[in-house]
Amino acid sequence: KAGVTQTPRYLIKTRGQQVTLSCSPISGHRSVSWYQQTPGQGLQFLFEYFSETQRNKGNFPGRFSGRQFSNSRSEMNVSTLELGDSALYLCASSLVAGGQQGTQYFGPGTRLLVL
Amino acid sequence: DAKTTQPTSMDCAEGRAANLPCNHSTISGNEYVYWYRQIHSQGPQYIIHGLKNNETNEMASLIITEDRKSSTLILPHATLRDTAVYYCIYAGGTSYGKLTFGQGTILTVHP
Repeated sequence: KAGVTQTPRYLIKTRGQQVTLSCSPISGHRSVSWYQQTPGQGLQFLFEYFSETQRNKGNFPGRFSGRQFSNSRSEMNVSTLELGDSALYLCASSLVAGGQQGTQYFGPGTRLLVL
Repeated sequence: DAKTTQPTSMDCAEGRAANLPCNHSTISGNEYVYWYRQIHSQGPQYIIHGLKNNETNEMASLIITEDRKSSTLILPHATLRDTAVYYCIYAGGTSYGKLTFGQGTILTVHP
């Protein structure tokens, strides 16, 4: 089975621009979670989508948004980019299976640099 | 947020067992313990999880204490490729995709 794929892998933007990142989950996985990883804050949860609905959201400003399509693919968008948004953005997919939803499979990430 | 406590760093000789401890004293009865690792600049990799029984798979073993307040991840024969940051996390059915990562343990395997 193919793993989680994320595009693009690397991205350079300037302050004030917006960016859209894409994630394709493992076939059959319906839950997609997004994380931001920075050297200072570590890995932080952004949001989770299941069946095109956002079920959980982390403590990030409204500039960070996402969506999920009927085929479970997901996108996240960051508007009005700030220097502090430079980070590795990780997507993870999982089978929703009762209490074992913590078994997530991560993609390689998109490294975003904001200049 | 679900907080765990892990040593900042550990060393292990290649071929020896690596035993990584984790304290999770606030875990609830329906929450599982998960272990992930992250090799530099890659996405985290799922290793193993358990509820209250000890678990083993092709990568590692997980030992959970009877009171479930702590656990140990065991890599039976560490290799240089096991050098990574290891994260211990607990989560349950209402986590809805949220894993709370701490700082983890930096495991360095030496030749």
